[in-house]
Amino acid sequence: AQKVTQAQTEISVVEKEDVTLDCVYETRDTTYYLFWYKQPPSGELVFLIRRNSFDEQNEISGRYSWNFQKSTSSFNFTITASQVVDSAVYFCALSDRPDRGSTLGRLYFGRGTQLTVWP
Amino acid sequence: DTEVTQTPKHLVMGMTNKKSLKCEQHMGHRAMYWYKQKAKKPPELMFVYSYEKLSINESVPSRFSPECPNSSLLNLHLHALQPEDSALYLCASSQGRNQPQHFGDGTRLSIL
Repeated sequence: AQKVTQAQTEISVVEKEDVTLDCVYETRDTTYYLFWYKQPPSGELVFLIRRNSFDEQNEISGRYSWNFQKSTSSFNFTITASQVVDSAVYFCALSDRPDRGSTLGRLYFGRGTQLTVWP
Repeated sequence: DTEVTQTPKHLVMGMTNKKSLKCEQHMGHRAMYWYKQKAKKPPELMFVYSYEKLSINESVPSRFSPECPNSSLLNLHLHALQPEDSALYLCASSQGRNQPQHFGDGTRLSIL
């Protein structure tokens, strides 16, 4: 069964602090994809990153970085020098292998981490 | 601005009303999705359309009826809803297998 655990329900930091959001996943598939989404108060989910199970290279995009470790089944997300605009709920998600004959995989979301950045 | 457009943004309806939620995308995506999201919870998958055909129905009550008139449009017809159906309804689209899903702003639905 697919499962994503985001143990941190809420995190509060002060602007310019670094913050790491944890994500641990479970799957029996050898091929899978991991995602991070941001959901600001406006409601839409904003896609941040996709990583496949064969690519363990860490990735950096501006103030955002991701650390994928298959050995610990973790895909953690770090925001460097946080800003008030980073305040949102962040979801980690796992996409399973599509059923035979289907072009689709389902997204399994974690419970989300509410990040609040104070000025 | 998102590339997936949902209307209306807000909807208040009584339990006997019939209404529809609309979703449109012009990214040429082959798959479209409806999700329901309650406060402080992750999105829950309701329906998936692939090439305009219903591919996944997550045992959603029949008072929710999806429709995909063409590859760019997705509707969700609502009838005889219950107060517990009040939620944020999100539409998404993707190119297909394991590609990122792109979400709209959602419709905030309140059932009186």
